[in-house]
Amino acid sequence: DTGVSQDPRHKITKRGQNVTFRCDPISEHNRLYWYRQTLGQGPEFLTYFQNEAQLEKSRLLSDRFSAERPKGSFSTLEIQRTEQGDSAMYLCASRPQSRLSGTGELFFGEGSRLTVL
Amino acid sequence: SQELEQSPQSLIVQEGKNLTINCTSSKTLYGLYWYKQKYGEGLIFLMMLQKGGEEKSHEKITAKLDEKKQQSSLHITASQPSHAGIYLCGASPARGNKLTFGGGTRVLVKP
Repeated sequence: DTGVSQDPRHKITKRGQNVTFRCDPISEHNRLYWYRQTLGQGPEFLTYFQNEAQLEKSRLLSDRFSAERPKGSFSTLEIQRTEQGDSAMYLCASRPQSRLSGTGELFFGEGSRLTVL
Repeated sequence: SQELEQSPQSLIVQEGKNLTINCTSSKTLYGLYWYKQKYGEGLIFLMMLQKGGEEKSHEKITAKLDEKKQQSSLHITASQPSHAGIYLCGASPARGNKLTFGGGTRVLVKP
């Protein structure tokens, strides 16, 4: 089953270090989303791509955060100079663009949990 | 921006009992999505409602969307330990847009 894949599943880092997460969407999905979820909260939207174009970015995505999807397939989310407040689960989701495809739900990966010490 | 409020934030039910979770939007919804999340894992899609007054069921879970398309409920009949987890409602202002999520409802089913 080739669902949405995220790597790494867990990352522990020290404050000030850079971290990068990778997301491989379902192969025929051209839309890819990143969300952040902190303990006890619902997922918060960060950004999304249609193919390689980044179409929307949340105010939550500070200058230390950057996301790319260079070839319209996998995506990376990099956090520079991590802070303790960055500790969260980073969720990736994908969906097809076509209006004729399903109900429009997002297909989520298992998430990448970041702990900043 | 669209905001979703879920209630209750958490609940504990005895196995075999029914439970209801509510999701209220500050704006009219295009689509309302229900997801389930096990602790520390990704979200699993349950069902989507789009039409006012719509009701959908899957196994023991029923979701409804009110006529004004601003409130939805998720009802679980005869709960089982497998129903434990976090239930999240998500909504989009238009098809294909990002989903905005509520804060989630944490469900624990006591055997």
